Amino acid sequence: TQLLEQSPQFLSIQEGENLTVYCNSSSVFSSLQWYRQEPGEGPVLLVTVVTGGEVKKLKRLTFQFGDARKDSSLHITAAQPGDTGLYLCAGRLDSWGKLQFGAGTQVVVTP
Amino acid sequence: DSGVTQTPKHLITATGQRVTLRCSPRSGDLSVYWYQQSLDQGLQFLIQYYNGEERAKGNILERFSAQQFPDLHSELNLSSLELGDSALYFCASSATSVNTEAFFGQGTRLTVV
Repeated sequence: TQLLEQSPQFLSIQEGENLTVYCNSSSVFSSLQWYRQEPGEGPVLLVTVVTGGEVKKLKRLTFQFGDARKDSSLHITAAQPGDTGLYLCAGRLDSWGKLQFGAGTQVVVTP
Repeated sequence: DSGVTQTPKHLITATGQRVTLRCSPRSGDLSVYWYQQSLDQGLQFLIQYYNGEERAKGNILERFSAQQFPDLHSELNLSSLELGDSALYFCASSATSVNTEAFFGQGTRLTVV
């Protein structure tokens, strides 16, 4: 079983629609990161959240870390085809711990 | 370009063989992570080194081993290869182990035939 469960596994939407991707765990994380991976490339970091209840915005992307630091969400407003990719959440159980990944959510945005 | 270099990009080898994957971290990064990514398993953490010392171990098979050298580059050795070892192997580096961004290389695609 995965330490971090991501949902949905796959999401296909039209350009201009909104979407939300979820990352859940029964464990408490020291920090949580979101990455985006495109085919043939390594994951690229989007954001790091460390404080329970923290909300970070990156242009049309909004990231939220749950109050209990067990879950997170990524919301994309007015999605564009360039947002297509595999979105991965990753967390550390303590500051020096290994960085573990969820299975990812494949997002496809069609024009 | 993340600054992390992995070689080779592609590797095709037969079952039972041994291969070595190489990773050069970003300049100044002390921490190196190895991950295996396959279609059915996602990105699986294998092992982490920090300044030459093993820091954390994940689901790394006994047939696999790694090390980090004094110049901070790292190698992942895979032996007695099986068909199921076919996957993308990623290396990532970070400045420290503490809540910092991990920068990923482009990966080595290993195909075992």
